[in-house]
Amino acid sequence: NAGVTQTPKFQVLKTGQSMTLQCAQDMNHEYMSWYRQDPGMGLRLIHYSVGAGITDQGEVPNGYNVSRSTTEDFPLRLLSAAPSQTSVYFCASSYRGGYTFGSGTRLTVV
Amino acid sequence: GENVEQHPSTLSVQEGDSAVIKCTYSDSASNYFPWYKQELGKRPQLIIDIRSNVGEKKDQRIAVTLNKTAKHFSLHITETQPEDSAVYFCAALRYQGAQKLVFGQGTRLTINP
Repeated sequence: NAGVTQTPKFQVLKTGQSMTLQCAQDMNHEYMSWYRQDPGMGLRLIHYSVGAGITDQGEVPNGYNVSRSTTEDFPLRLLSAAPSQTSVYFCASSYRGGYTFGSGTRLTVV
Repeated sequence: GENVEQHPSTLSVQEGDSAVIKCTYSDSASNYFPWYKQELGKRPQLIIDIRSNVGEKKDQRIAVTLNKTAKHFSLHITETQPEDSAVYFCAALRYQGAQKLVFGQGTRLTINP
């Protein structure tokens, strides 16, 4: 099992550009989430999904979209990147509460 | 929604001493409480968890206690070692429904040799 795989690991964007952060898991987990982590801060929930076709907003959803067309994949889309979205992004998946995290994507918006 | 408060934000202890990190939660319906360890530049990793029908759980040098009435839970690390230096996060989740995992703000633990 690869676990939770995130790509890319690093990305630099210009303000206004769009991009998709990829997340895939091979554990057949129902629950998947996206978090962002800013320096000195905790993990804040962006969006989450309870299964294929079902997504909802977390505490900081503005500027991000998600979709969940399959159990395995949960991409995060930045619609128009802003410097405030510079952060480390973690995807995580769970079967019954114990979330497993991907290795993260370090995103810089200039 | 759920809100998790974590204290202290930084903790420095001598090698071999014990460390205690405390968290409180707001949603009485939360029933699963994991703890994560994050080393510099790495992903958070689950180190121990506790369910609401249990008051205490131990795994070698780490233990977690839960007081449902007071809505707080704590992480205890005994005989600390340099490799315990990391940021620790508590979290809370309710199994029924969306299973959103809400994190505390984190505690930076430093073990001094």
